[in-house]
Amino acid sequence: DAMVIQNPRYQVTQFGKPVTLSCSQTLNHNVMYWYQQKSSQAPKLLFHYYDKDFNNEADTPDNFQSRRPNTSFCFLDIRSPGLGDAAMYLCATSGSGAGYGYTFGSGTRLTVV
Amino acid sequence: RKEVEQDPGPFNVPEGATVAFNCTYSNSASQSFFWYRQDCRKEPKLLMSVYSSGNEDGRFTAQLNRASQYISLLIRDSKLSDSATYLCVVNRGNAGNNRKLIWGLGTSLAVNP
Repeated sequence: DAMVIQNPRYQVTQFGKPVTLSCSQTLNHNVMYWYQQKSSQAPKLLFHYYDKDFNNEADTPDNFQSRRPNTSFCFLDIRSPGLGDAAMYLCATSGSGAGYGYTFGSGTRLTVV
Repeated sequence: RKEVEQDPGPFNVPEGATVAFNCTYSNSASQSFFWYRQDCRKEPKLLMSVYSSGNEDGRFTAQLNRASQYISLLIRDSKLSDSATYLCVVNRGNAGNNRKLIWGLGTSLAVNP
């Protein structure tokens, strides 16, 4: 089945130690998104790629970076995780039409110790 | 005031009940509208898009009132498996790279036996 796959499901990292989360898709969608979701909050958009064009949200900290080497893969790099970065990180894809909903991966739950 | 507002609930209803969720949005330029469902500690999943003429999918009916900037979701004959958080999502932009999904905080539903 076509889908969005995130690895790993659970990630524990040390305070300040760089960590990379990965996302792949078989839907051939041209738009990929990274969201951060904390408990009882709505998903918060960090950035998105429209094809190769990177779009950063104004309030996304510099600590968060992203790479999209090809259509299928997108990575989230957290350069120096802090305790406040512990959250669920969700990757999503969509087509580019206004009526497209998003397809989410299962998420990576990040714990910072 | 948040751009997308929902009653957070929780809504506690017995099996078989009909329950309605409301959502208001503040940006009149919003283009498309969605309801997502999110189970505890899982990713959001698209439940249905919301069209101007209203649309129905089995026990679920969505309505949009552009004049009042109001969206609703009606669930008939509630099942235990409907227990989840229901997120109202509004696309502020148009197609392509201008898409901007704005998420409500969600309404929590618990269906009781």
